[in-house]
Amino acid sequence: NAGVTQTPKFRVLKTGQSMTLLCAQDMNHEYMYWYRQDPGMGLRLIHYSVGEGTTAKGEVPDGYNVSRLKKQNFLLGLESAAPSQTSVYFCASSQPGLATDTQYFGPGTRLTVL
Amino acid sequence: ELKVEQNPLFLSMQEGKNYTIYCNYSTTSDRLYWYRQDPGKSLESLFVLLSNGAVKQEGRLMASLDTKARLSTLHITAAVHDLSATYFCAVTETSGSRLTFGEGTQLTVNP
Repeated sequence: NAGVTQTPKFRVLKTGQSMTLLCAQDMNHEYMYWYRQDPGMGLRLIHYSVGEGTTAKGEVPDGYNVSRLKKQNFLLGLESAAPSQTSVYFCASSQPGLATDTQYFGPGTRLTVL
Repeated sequence: ELKVEQNPLFLSMQEGKNYTIYCNYSTTSDRLYWYRQDPGKSLESLFVLLSNGAVKQEGRLMASLDTKARLSTLHITAAVHDLSATYFCAVTETSGSRLTFGEGTQLTVNP
């Protein structure tokens, strides 16, 4: 049981380049989330999904797109990377309706945009 | 807009001492989470507090929730070095499952 995995672990981009971050979970969770973590700001929600084929905007969605074509996968895309998107990105998943519907986090992707 | 504030943001304490981290939130919610993050690592769930007056304990950590005061506390008893980490509280809005995180409390326990 791998839990939540993220690919890649590290990436360096030049301004204007594009990339996709992949999140996969094997817990059959309905909900999945993408966060970014910046020093002194905690975690901020970028986009989330409450089921296969659905996505919604979070607190800081600008410059990002997401897709949830399969229940177990949640992709985060940067179409034209900017230095302000340098951050650590965490994916999480959860199952609603449980008494303890805690979110389970992946190991993170450290992205640097030059 | 839901806001979550933690204090202190930085805490340096000696082994064996007790201390409390506070988490205040701005709107109605009856579900609060505490997470731990070690440097360069992911977040690990510590506690889920589901109702007013809820108290949970694990080892040297005890968390409580007062929904009327919109306050949760994380109490550390007889701190040890292994507790050094950043601790986050997070709150869900009652209408959904989105979490809003506090800024985190960076705890350093010195020998």
